[in-house]
Amino acid sequence: EVVMTQSPATLSVSPGERATLSCRASQSVSIDLAWYQQKPGQAPRLLISGASTRAAGIPARFSGSGSGTEFTLTISSLQSEDFAVYYCQQYNNWPWTFGQGTKVEIK
Amino acid sequence: QITLKESGPTVVKPTQTLTLTCTLSGFSLSSSGEAVGWIRQPPGKALEWLALIYWDDDKRYSPSLKSRLAITKDTPKNQVVLTMTNMDPVDTGTYYCAHRYYYGYVDYWGQGILVTVSS
Repeated sequence: EVVMTQSPATLSVSPGERATLSCRASQSVSIDLAWYQQKPGQAPRLLISGASTRAAGIPARFSGSGSGTEFTLTISSLQSEDFAVYYCQQYNNWPWTFGQGTKVEIK
Repeated sequence: QITLKESGPTVVKPTQTLTLTCTLSGFSLSSSGEAVGWIRQPPGKALEWLALIYWDDDKRYSPSLKSRLAITKDTPKNQVVLTMTNMDPVDTGTYYCAHRYYYGYVDYWGQGILVTVSS
């Protein structure tokens, strides 16, 4: 099973600042990597697939990069609605696996 | 518009079998490339894929839970059913139905159903 490790566990950021979230895979997953945003009491929402392709309707301030084992989600200028938990997920090998999440909180 | 909705019991007793139904709309699970799966999330914890069923009836299960899971589809009814046997309190959590098309990421999620395992 591919283990996905996200860092940091919690990121404290002021509105308008840049946030950088990391995700590391225990083995190469190529670019088969997705990012999701989850707010309390809601289902996750797809942000990024293929490591860098924004899903429909996702603002341009969200960007993804990386390949192999190292991936990054960047939120260029945090808006109030962006404070949430973010998960990465690999879909290169079954079982597809999620990271443990990064909580982005208001500083 | 694709939607998925979970239904089933919200409380089960330890050792009982959980049966969850996902009702689909906006697509057909008989179409090539389509698949529907189940993902769970214990309170305050991360997400975990449980099972997946493809349009051609191929199935995938989490290796750690494989002996307890079964996933089936009823295409005419547009439903996918997950059964999990021998429920335990550690199985408490929100269970999501999830749609993926061709690749392994989830593009549409159900609202989730919170299942509590308690005597």
